Order: sequence, then C-alpha cells, then structure tokens
Amino acid sequence: DIQMTQSPSSLSASVGDRVTITCRASQSISSYLNWYQQKPGKAPKLLIYAASSLQSGVPSRFSGSGSGTDFTLTISSLQPEDFATYYCQQSYSTPCSFGQGTKLEIK
Amino acid sequence: EVQLVESGGGLVQPGGSLRLSCSASGFTFSSYAMHWVRQAPGKGLEYVSAISSNGGSTYYADSVKGRFTISRDNSKNTLYLQMSSLRAEDTAVYYCVKGIPGIDAFDIWGQGTMVTVSS
Repeated sequence: DIQMTQSPSSLSASVGDRVTITCRASQSISSYLNWYQQKPGKAPKLLIYAASSLQSGVPSRFSGSGSGTDFTLTISSLQPEDFATYYCQQSYSTPCSFGQGTKLEIK
Repeated sequence: EVQLVESGGGLVQPGGSLRLSCSASGFTFSSYAMHWVRQAPGKGLEYVSAISSNGGSTYYADSVKGRFTISRDNSKNTLYLQMSSLRAEDTAVYYCVKGIPGIDAFDIWGQGTMVTVSS
C-alpha cells in the first residue's frame, strides 16, 4: 500500500499569509493526488484533484502542484474561513490512502 | 442538488451488527462507483470499502475484510454497508462518498453517520 505523509502536522498562520502544505507519497503516484478541506463536525470537501485542477466553486487562492512523489497545496492569501484541517489523498492505486492531516490554526 | 444522505448509525455492543444506508439523489447513481470512508473521533480519514457501478466488483480494507459487506441497489439509488463482529476500533463517523470516474477523487460526501461500539 502507498503511504502518504503530510507536513507540517499543524501550522499557525495569520489572515493574509501565504501558506504551503506538503504531501509526499511512498512511491510515484503520477498526478493522482487530491486535496480536501475539513472543518470541525463537517464532511471533507474536495479542493484540488489530479494534483493541480481546482474543483468547481473553490476559490482561486487555492492551488496545487507536483507530480511523482512530492506535492504541495498553496493558499495564496489566508481568509478566516480557511482555518481547517487539510488532507491529501492518493488515488493512483487501490486502496487509496490519505495523509494524516494538517491542522491550520489562527496565529 | 447532488446529495448523499447516510443513516443507520448508532450505539452497538462489541460483536454486534449494524447496517448503514446511503441514499443518493441528483445524479445517475448507477453510473458511479461508490465508497465508504470513516473517521474515528479526533483522527484522520480511513478508506473502508468500495463497490463498482454495477456492484460486480468490491474492495475492503484489511481492517474490515471478512466483517463488512458493501452492496448497492441501483433501482433504489441506495448504497449499503453491512457491519458485523463490530469492535471498539470500528467506532467512527462513516461517510458515503461518490468518486470522479477515472481519478477517484471524492467530489460528493454525505454528512456522515456515527457508529459507536461500546458495552
């Protein structure tokens, strides 16, 4: 099975900051990497699919990049509603697998 | 509106059984593979099970293999997860999820149903 490792596990930032979250796969997954946002008590929400494609309705301040084993999620200018937990997911092979999550908190 | 609504969660004793249901609307249910993902309290996301669009192919995580059964009724637009021999470590919110064909990104999630295994 493919292991996904996110860093950092938690992050404190301020409104307006540029933030980057990293996800690394234990083997190459091409561009089969997706990013989700989850707020407390809510289901995850798809932000980015296929490494860099923005899901419909997601603000353009979110972007994704990478291929192979190393990927990043960038939020260009943090907004108050962006404070949440973020997960990466590989869908290259079954079983799909998630990173452990990155909790983004207000500084 | 595209929607997934889970039901059937609750409190069950260790060794007991429970059946979760997921009612789909707003899309052609029979055209999509469907999945179950769970999240233990305060923990991350764990992929549990999947079923192909016609029900002919299924997948189970090792942690639930032999104890859980996924199925679907395309005439009723409903996905099921039959859970038996439940353990404390199965305690979680269970999400019904629709994937994007070909890339298996999960674009539609239900609200989740809580399963608590405790005596």
